[in-house]
Amino acid sequence: SQQGEEDPQALSIQEGENATMNCSYKTSINNLQWYRQNSGRGLVHLILIRSNEREKHSGRLRVTLDTSKKSSSLLITASRAADTASYFCATDQYSGGYQKVTFGIGTKLQVIP
Amino acid sequence: DVKVTQSSRYLVKRTGEKVFLECVQDMDHENMFWYRQDPGLGLRLIYFSYDVKMKEKGDIPEGYSVSREKKERFSLILESASTNQTSMYLCASGGGHEQYFGPGTRLTVT
Repeated sequence: SQQGEEDPQALSIQEGENATMNCSYKTSINNLQWYRQNSGRGLVHLILIRSNEREKHSGRLRVTLDTSKKSSSLLITASRAADTASYFCATDQYSGGYQKVTFGIGTKLQVIP
Repeated sequence: DVKVTQSSRYLVKRTGEKVFLECVQDMDHENMFWYRQDPGLGLRLIYFSYDVKMKEKGDIPEGYSVSREKKERFSLILESASTNQTSMYLCASGGGHEQYFGPGTRLTVT
């Protein structure tokens, strides 16, 4: 079953605008991560936010986490054409004695030059 | 830089064939994973391994098996390929929370 669900599923913006993607999840988590995937390639880790953190920054990326609402958002500021990709949230939980990472369906971002 | 390589980028096999997908990582990671990615379904975990010769079922293990004889290598086996196993297969490795992905193998079963 899918733990994380991204919203919107697709987003198209002009270069220079900000892009916001949201992720909702169902059960308690230890950490939440965001990954990026360029078309036809593997995923690349962007940022991890722990369950006791509320906000984290990395360059043009800003991630927030609201555990009471079981949701996270990824903000990309001053977007560039090279940011065109799919973005996935992934939640960490302990299950059956192992740490399990569950990925969402992803948001497809298109940045128009 | 961490490198995760997969044996093929594209593969076409016939129904009923035995298919081997191989994954090698060069960072001495304990953990390795196999996912399949389908439109509208995201990434789904097939199998994972936390140590050599150790394997655990993920969310969709049916029709698949795995082998981990060496720490750096994790193989996914389709015992008898079927058309519903046409998909993108992604291998990943990791030592902590972050996972490092290979480029993927797009498998078509005809």
